[in-house]
Amino acid sequence: DTGVSQDPRHKITKRGQNVTFRCDPISEHNRLYWYRQTLGQGPEFLTYFQNEAQLEKSRLLSDRFSAERPKGSFSTLEIQRTEQGDSAMYLCASSHPARDVGETQYFGPGTRLLVL
Amino acid sequence: DQQVKQNSPSLSVQEGRISILNCDYTNSMFDYFLWYKKYPAEGPTFLISISSIKDKNEDGRFTVFLNKSAKHLSLHIVPSQPGDSAVYFCAASEIYNFNKFYFGSGTKLNVKP
Repeated sequence: DTGVSQDPRHKITKRGQNVTFRCDPISEHNRLYWYRQTLGQGPEFLTYFQNEAQLEKSRLLSDRFSAERPKGSFSTLEIQRTEQGDSAMYLCASSHPARDVGETQYFGPGTRLLVL
Repeated sequence: DQQVKQNSPSLSVQEGRISILNCDYTNSMFDYFLWYKKYPAEGPTFLISISSIKDKNEDGRFTVFLNKSAKHLSLHIVPSQPGDSAVYFCAASEIYNFNKFYFGSGTKLNVKP
């Protein structure tokens, strides 16, 4: 399977703990994205990498959130001092530069986080 | 402020009939639009896209229509099948910031056998 993979699929943690999620994009895709989805809403953009460079961060990404993509391949999203409001589905997507207008992002299965 | 809106949270259609899912947007800089389908416990799966230079794009049973003057797009599924039952999201990106997608809140489609 050459799709986007995410690990873990589910995470339950206590408030105040740190958590880290991993995303492995489609191998030939140099762009990687993180989104957050809460119940009844569509995915919301968090951040975006082109190769190893983090090029854009949403205002949703507070100081407790950090994302890395050290070698331009897999990426990690860390949440420090988790809060109950962080409970959500965290989605990763990847894309390849399009030759014409528009790019299609391909999503992984997501990591569902529950903060108790 | 949501720039992409799906005002129908749910839609129920009989198998074999047409499903029409609607999406409205407010940002005139959007120039690329996509539809994704999402099953429970899975990530969104890309269905079909359209750029602003077109008003229609067709792929098998799925057709997306874009009305730029009304800032409205729709997804038609003909004929609808029970396996189409899922949540459908429309998404849009801007001409100068194409990497950032804005999603609607989704429409849950139920296709009854």
